[in-house]
Amino acid sequence: ETGVTQSPTHLIKTRGQQVTLRCSSQSGHNTVSWYQQALGQGPQFIFQYYREEENGRGNFPPRFSGLQFPNYSSELNVNALELDDSALYLCASSLADRGQETQYFGPGTRLLVL
Amino acid sequence: QKEVEQNSGPLSVPEGAIASLNCTYSDRGSQSFFWYRQYSGKSPELIMFIYSNGDKEDGRFTAQLNKASQYVSLLIRDSQPSDSATYLCAVLKTSYDKVIFGPGTSLSVIP
Repeated sequence: ETGVTQSPTHLIKTRGQQVTLRCSSQSGHNTVSWYQQALGQGPQFIFQYYREEENGRGNFPPRFSGLQFPNYSSELNVNALELDDSALYLCASSLADRGQETQYFGPGTRLLVL
Repeated sequence: QKEVEQNSGPLSVPEGAIASLNCTYSDRGSQSFFWYRQYSGKSPELIMFIYSNGDKEDGRFTAQLNKASQYVSLLIRDSQPSDSATYLCAVLKTSYDKVIFGPGTSLSVIP
């Protein structure tokens, strides 16, 4: 088990609704990345936060937004949910100066949009 | 062309055999390469990373990188049933620090 936690573990929403997913990073990690993993596919990078600012973004529309707090925890917000947003949402924390080799994933939040 | 490609599998090997997992990437400027293991219903777990051409060994795992061919592989020696999982190749694009994952290869080790 890594020190990265996510909540909730499962969520069911309907099309058009909004959702907020939460992530607490591993102790000492200052960077948080969010990924979307559809069934049978690899994780797709959504964005990364460092020092409470977005530090890189993948090919996701603006209705995907995020926050990082002073304690390095983070939120992912998705507005106007679509059926294709159904996926496993993964949060990963790392040390900015050590990069991916320090990246640990949380258990994920499984979102189902009906 | 997809940025990171892997054989989707499933790849089946008998217990004790060598499993060979392959990955190709399109961005010639990529510098860092990672292999993650993901058990069904779980999150990815980093098992190897490699930055330089050649081989890197860690226990039963060997990562091989050939930047000229834009190819990275993972060999698992003495495969065990507990190695049955999906293996994800990931590439770090230095220009934007955006990690690109491949679709994963499903490995099944048959006792």
